Amino acid sequence: DSGVTQTPKHLITATGQRVTLRCSPRSGDLSVYWYQQSLDQGLQFLIQYYNGEERAKGNILERFSAQQFPDLHSELNLSSLELGDSALYFCASSQSGQNTEAFFGQGTRLTVV
Amino acid sequence: AQSVAQPEDQVNVAEGNPLTVKCTYSVSGNPYLFWYVQYPNRGLQFLLKYITGDNLVKGSYGFEAEFNKSQTSFHLKKPSALVSDSALYFCAVRAYSNDYKLSFGAGTTVTVRA
Repeated sequence: DSGVTQTPKHLITATGQRVTLRCSPRSGDLSVYWYQQSLDQGLQFLIQYYNGEERAKGNILERFSAQQFPDLHSELNLSSLELGDSALYFCASSQSGQNTEAFFGQGTRLTVV
Repeated sequence: AQSVAQPEDQVNVAEGNPLTVKCTYSVSGNPYLFWYVQYPNRGLQFLLKYITGDNLVKGSYGFEAEFNKSQTSFHLKKPSALVSDSALYFCAVRAYSNDYKLSFGAGTTVTVRA
């Protein structure tokens, strides 16, 4: 158990809908990362927050947004969902410092039908 | 921009034989390098990292990795593979700069046959 908790584990929704994925980082970790894993694109970095502020941005679509709250949990919001958004979404957390490893949650499997 | 390449999609070895998973990286400046393993329907698990110092890094489950700055490589190795090592392996890099982005390679599927 990495200590990173993601909910829900599975999510099935229709095209055009909006969903929210939730992540609770390990105790003491200030950084939260979001990744999308799909068969054709591998593990894609979406966005990183540090202590409530956006720190790095990757290939995140405009339909997607995220935030980190004062209690350090994070949410990833996906809107106007398309079939191609079906993927495994991972949250990871780490301590401050670039030499620290990130610990991953079990992921949320999103299926858009 | 930073990137990671894992040139082999698949690696197949017999149990008891040495295992090597290749990784090359590209960053501006010095890198921080990481290896992760992913089992089916699970999250990524951290194996080891290189920060600075000794080029040979030892990690979990008997894995080690060798940092080679001139070849910009960070290959993962295990002297004697087990069937239970069969999984998807990812190399990742973060630059020693103001960029905190952690970039992953495409992954290498390792199959260890009994």
